[in-house]
Amino acid sequence: GAGVSQSPSNKVTEKGKDVELRCDPISGHTALYWYRQSLGQGLEFLIYFQGNSAPDKSGLPSDRFSAERTGGSVSTLTIQRTQQEDSAVYLCASSFGGSPGDTIYFGEGSWLTVV
Amino acid sequence: AQSVTQLDSQVPVFEEAPVELRCNYSSSVSVYLFWYVQYPNQGLQLLLKYLSGSTLVKGINGFEAEFNKSQTSFHLRKPSVHISDTAEYFCAVSEGNTDKLIFGTGTRLQVFP
Repeated sequence: GAGVSQSPSNKVTEKGKDVELRCDPISGHTALYWYRQSLGQGLEFLIYFQGNSAPDKSGLPSDRFSAERTGGSVSTLTIQRTQQEDSAVYLCASSFGGSPGDTIYFGEGSWLTVV
Repeated sequence: AQSVTQLDSQVPVFEEAPVELRCNYSSSVSVYLFWYVQYPNQGLQLLLKYLSGSTLVKGINGFEAEFNKSQTSFHLRKPSVHISDTAEYFCAVSEGNTDKLIFGTGTRLQVFP
């Protein structure tokens, strides 16, 4: 596709349920990022994949959060036992990943509401 | 660790007036600096970025930013704003050896007629 694609665009889930959010990066991009955007909190880095390197998981807020990237392309962010404070927009982004300062392209996000 | 501070959470301005959105960063190493814009109900898109060279960077939609190393700032400016510039603006920094961006908390620019 032309841009970073995320699904679902909106998700309402009950507290305690698990959710999966999917990201399809721009074709050819080796770097993939997940960020979380909460009201008044700005963008919070979650996790970063670069090629075959071990992912940078330093931003994951708890062990309920995990992400994987299969085949170097599609990524899934999983939140287990969701809590109300997990409600936010989850943004995926990708870049060529070859050089520092590469432009990062964002998807439109997955709006998660935990009730 | 690097961090980004956007002191103004909201900036109201009248149409055709000039505007400056402030951004300060902290980092002990060389950095790359970015401004992203998020229009209502849309994803983030790159406005401009500073990697090296001239400290004055021009971006899309008439915006420009100036890198000031001594003041560790990268303020965004536009000489005359339009209603369509109403959006959330995010400043971001990446250290020289990584693509990972650290964002500020954003500044909401509201342009009034």
